[in-house]
Amino acid sequence: EAQVTQNPRYLITVTGKKLTVTCSQNMNHEYMSWYRQDPGLGLRQIYYSMNVEVTDKGDVPEGYKVSRKEKRNFPLILESPSPNQTSLYFCASSPLGTASEKLFFGSGTQLSVL
Amino acid sequence: AQSVTQLDSQVPVFEEAPVELRCNYSSSVSVYLFWYVQYPNQGLQLLLKYLSGSTLVKGINGFEAEFNKSQTSFHLRKPSVHISDTAEYFCAVRNSGAGSYQLTFGKGTKLSVIP
Repeated sequence: EAQVTQNPRYLITVTGKKLTVTCSQNMNHEYMSWYRQDPGLGLRQIYYSMNVEVTDKGDVPEGYKVSRKEKRNFPLILESPSPNQTSLYFCASSPLGTASEKLFFGSGTQLSVL
Repeated sequence: AQSVTQLDSQVPVFEEAPVELRCNYSSSVSVYLFWYVQYPNQGLQLLLKYLSGSTLVKGINGFEAEFNKSQTSFHLRKPSVHISDTAEYFCAVRNSGAGSYQLTFGKGTKLSVIP
C-alpha cells in the first residue's frame, strides 16, 4: 500500500531534550516536506526536499533541522525543543512534475513540549 | 512571496444546501492552486488542483473550483453538501516557476454540515 509513515504518533517531551520524528514513504517520490499545524494558523511549511541531499527552508524553519540521505526518509530533528514547538506535525511527499503533483500526507505526530 | 487568505474560518450549512468556501491568493508570478481536505484526526488529502487550462476545475466528492486570475481567487463550491463533507478545507498556492516548490497554505475553513 502506498503511504507516508510518520513515527511516533504522539510524543511528550521536556524542554531541551533532543528528539527526532521519522518520516518514510514507499512511493519513490522525489519531493518531501514537513509542516506544522496550529489552531487558527493552518499549515506552515518547515522544510522541504526536492531530492536526496537537496533541502530548503520553508516558512518557519527556526528550531528545526532535516536531512535527506535516502530518497524514502526525511526525518525532522528538534535539537533543543521549546514549548512553542508544541504542535501537530505532518510529513508529506509528492512526485515531481506538475502533471502528477499531489501531496500524500502522513497521519501526523502530535508533539507536546513541557 | 506568495500568500493565501481564506476568508471564512467557519462555515455552517444545512445538509443538501450549496456551499462556497472562499480563497484569495497573492503572488507576483503565475501560480498553481490547490484545495485539500482534512477529516478529523487524519492527514490532508487533495480535492482538486488548478495548473493550467480550463479555469473550472472538478475534483473528488462533487467539489469544483474556479480560478479567477483578475480577482486572484480560487473559490471552492459544491451544489449539495452531505454530512460526510464536514471537515476542514485548506486552499494552497505555489509559484509555477521551475524549481519553485514552496507550498503555502491558508489558515483553513471548517465546514460544518447540519442535518
